[in-house]
Amino acid sequence: SAVISQKPSRDICQRGTSLTIQCQVDSQVTMMFWYRQQPGQSLTLIATANQGSEATYESGFVIDKFPISRPNLTFSTLTVSNMSPEDSSIYLCSVGVVWRLPPRPDTQYFGPGTRLTVL
Amino acid sequence: KNQVEQSPQSLIILEGKNCTLQCNYTVSPFSNLRWYKQDTGRGPVSLTIMTFSENTKSNGRYTATLDADTKQSSLHITASQLSDSASYICVVSARSSGGSNYKLTFGKGTLLTVNP
Repeated sequence: SAVISQKPSRDICQRGTSLTIQCQVDSQVTMMFWYRQQPGQSLTLIATANQGSEATYESGFVIDKFPISRPNLTFSTLTVSNMSPEDSSIYLCSVGVVWRLPPRPDTQYFGPGTRLTVL
Repeated sequence: KNQVEQSPQSLIILEGKNCTLQCNYTVSPFSNLRWYKQDTGRGPVSLTIMTFSENTKSNGRYTATLDADTKQSSLHITASQLSDSASYICVVSARSSGGSNYKLTFGKGTLLTVNP
């Protein structure tokens, strides 16, 4: 399994400011993802964090609003820029583990999440 | 469009009782189906993962079933405990063309409350 930690665990921010969320994994992983979970909603994939290259964003999410860094195989950051109250959400880091030997379904592990409130 | 629908949206039961949560999906091409438990303020934790050929899989008091023909899954919780109070999320994985990449579709979850 993969153990994932996130910082901060929660924060309350003012409109117009930016917050950077850190994600640390206890082992090297190829696939790392960032999700958003708005109140009462399912998880929505923001982007795939690619090591050494630009992140791959899903429809509706752009780099200017959610810049992502992935300097190595164990660490990534997500920045929520120019925040508004609509950005209030839980942000989750996730990693995908592909099993080869013996082959079995890919497993996805989630961090504890960062609960963001924007006033 | 890939979709995962869960029911009921919320459920309240008494401690010690059993319950069954439902998941219907329209995801293609199907790779596997996962049930996650998400405690309040925490990230989702995997309970079971089932592939196309698996009909039933258990993890302690949790038993998941999969009917790939009707595209339905259920999660049965036996002898519920207060600690089972959480959101249970059904997630279906679609294998993208070309190999190891996959796309997850998440249900909205069923919020289970177990009362003493």
